[in-house]
Amino acid sequence: SQTIHQWPATLVQPVGSPLSLECTVEGTSNPNLYWYRQAAGRGLQLLFYSVGIGQISSEVPQNLSASRPQDRQFILSSKKLLLSDSGFYLCAWSGGRRTEAFFGQGTRLTVV
Amino acid sequence: AQKITQTQPGMFVQEKEAVTLDCTYDTSDQSYGLFWYKQPSSGEMIFLIYQGSYDEQNATEGRYSLNFQKARKSANLVISASQLGDSAMYFCAMRGPYSSASKIIFGSGTRLSIRP
Repeated sequence: SQTIHQWPATLVQPVGSPLSLECTVEGTSNPNLYWYRQAAGRGLQLLFYSVGIGQISSEVPQNLSASRPQDRQFILSSKKLLLSDSGFYLCAWSGGRRTEAFFGQGTRLTVV
Repeated sequence: AQKITQTQPGMFVQEKEAVTLDCTYDTSDQSYGLFWYKQPSSGEMIFLIYQGSYDEQNATEGRYSLNFQKARKSANLVISASQLGDSAMYFCAMRGPYSSASKIIFGSGTRLSIRP
């Protein structure tokens, strides 16, 4: 069966520090991968999605970047965090015979 | 461009009553998919139900059904016989044609609270 791992679960970082959030998927190949951000009590904003290694589509210009160095690995990064980067970050995958997206447990990021 | 609209920020419903959560969408694609997710306070995203644009019948999954009205571009979620455990955020989502370049976008959500 397929599983998705996302870590860390919580993170507190100072303004100006770098960020690296990692997401890996097991049990499937060539998945579509997604990064979403959710502000408190709000909806999910699509940040990046990827249909293959090295193929990244950015939805919102911002202080973040994404990379897909391996087929089932998706990384969200920032060189210098801003206060406005705080939020709940969710990684998801879709593909194969299923059409819906499956989500990781999320990372709650607080920039202080 | 694709867009999902959920106009009910919050709803209160008595336990055991049915509830309808509204969702309208906009897309120029002929082929697309619509989803509903539940997000409890833990933050996890739980997939509930899926409707394809070419599906002739409304999707059903247990107590969940999707009232799909293609001409009106609406995809409302109906929960029958609500339970206390149904209290959560609910999100409507859409993807474009099932191709390698299809993204999934979400609405702003509806917070459902079930009263005992």
